[in-house]
Amino acid sequence: EVQLVESGGGLVQPGRSLRLSCAASGFTFDDYAMHWVRQAPGKGLEWVSGISWNSGSIGYADSVKGRFTISRDNAKNSLYLQMNSLRAEDTALYYCAKSPGLELLNWFDPWGQGTLVTVSS
Amino acid sequence: DIQMTQSPSSLSASVGDRVTITCRASQSISSYLNWYQQKPGKAPKLLIYAASSLQSGVPSRFSGSGSGTDFTLTISSLQPEDFATYYCQQSYSTPDTFGQGTRLEIK
Repeated sequence: EVQLVESGGGLVQPGRSLRLSCAASGFTFDDYAMHWVRQAPGKGLEWVSGISWNSGSIGYADSVKGRFTISRDNAKNSLYLQMNSLRAEDTALYYCAKSPGLELLNWFDPWGQGTLVTVSS
Repeated sequence: DIQMTQSPSSLSASVGDRVTITCRASQSISSYLNWYQQKPGKAPKLLIYAASSLQSGVPSRFSGSGSGTDFTLTISSLQPEDFATYYCQQSYSTPDTFGQGTRLEIK
């Protein structure tokens, strides 16, 4: 069974940093692109970032470009999101999601349960 | 960026009803359109990919159609477990973008 388990969320002050992790199991991690998608409280879904199977292709939403960095460690079956210069508008539930193939542009299935990031002083 | 617009934003329906949700893209996205269902407190679940392909395990009362800029998700006979929020997502170009969601409520 495919499992994605996010961790690393929490309460952080504006301007500070946080690193999210997603531990993957149940599939060959380095055969698939991976993504981060977020959902602000009571709001819709927003794609944040994606990374191809070999980290050769990476994409970011304009809202996080220059502040967030996605990465993966295929040896550890893990996906990461380094979030710097956090803002109040980054407050959201952050989901890790798997692509059906090697490259970025695709659907997301499955999704983890999410980790909550709250940016507040 | 490609903008995705869903209609309606909310919808009240009864068990057994046939329901259609529409998603419109701001430019042609061929068939690169996917649909998700999200229940309160849960992660989104993929229903339909590539506009009309039913994800494994999803009941056949769900169907998708369309290409270019206009797409629909149809639930042929609503069941109690179908009351949720539905999102479309385009995977034609980066950044992937979602519609604002359609909340399906019990009448």
